[in-house]
Amino acid sequence: DAGVIQSPRHEVTEMGQEVTLRCKPISGHDYLFWYRQTMMRGLELLIYFNNNVPIDDSGMPEDRFSAKMPNASFSTLKIQPSEPRDSAVYFCASSPPGPGYTFGSGTRLTVV
Amino acid sequence: GQQLNQSPQSMFIQEGEDVSMNCTSSSIFNTWLWYKQDPGEGPVLLIALYKAGELTSNGRLTAQFGITRKDSFLNISASIPSDVGIYFCAGGSGSARQLTFGSGTQLTVLP
Repeated sequence: DAGVIQSPRHEVTEMGQEVTLRCKPISGHDYLFWYRQTMMRGLELLIYFNNNVPIDDSGMPEDRFSAKMPNASFSTLKIQPSEPRDSAVYFCASSPPGPGYTFGSGTRLTVV
Repeated sequence: GQQLNQSPQSMFIQEGEDVSMNCTSSSIFNTWLWYKQDPGEGPVLLIALYKAGELTSNGRLTAQFGITRKDSFLNISASIPSDVGIYFCAGGSGSARQLTFGSGTQLTVLP
């Protein structure tokens, strides 16, 4: 099992540009989570899906953020337009029925 | 919303020493989990606790689910250099699948 796969690992973009982060969950996991990690705020849940359906997006900071899960093996988190304060490490995690997530290695986003 | 208070925020210890860290909450959790994050990687699950009072070990790691269901601790015995990293507690409640994470304990092991 390759685990949760995120791409890209690093992204540097200019303010105002669109950024798309990608995630492939572990096969058979029916929950998918997007987290953001910063020094100031720690790990923040942005949104999570169950069986490809968004369940709770109350953590999405603004309308500039959107997430989709078109099928069980792929999800995207998009920021448009990006701002410097969006700089953070973004993690995707997936979970089978039962507690405990498996996290991906994260995408380090820098908006300049 | 629910919040977890994790302490200490950071620790510097000598190799071979034991380590203890804990999390407390004003809310009850049904599940407590402990994760470790290495630099440049995502958190990895170390131990999961499902019942109040439960004491679970994983090698040199021991974690307990507090009787009140509002706290948990993690002990690491005989620390080694590869124990360096950030340790997070996380609580889960009810049927909700999302976890609430603590702010992390940065552990440094000195040779």
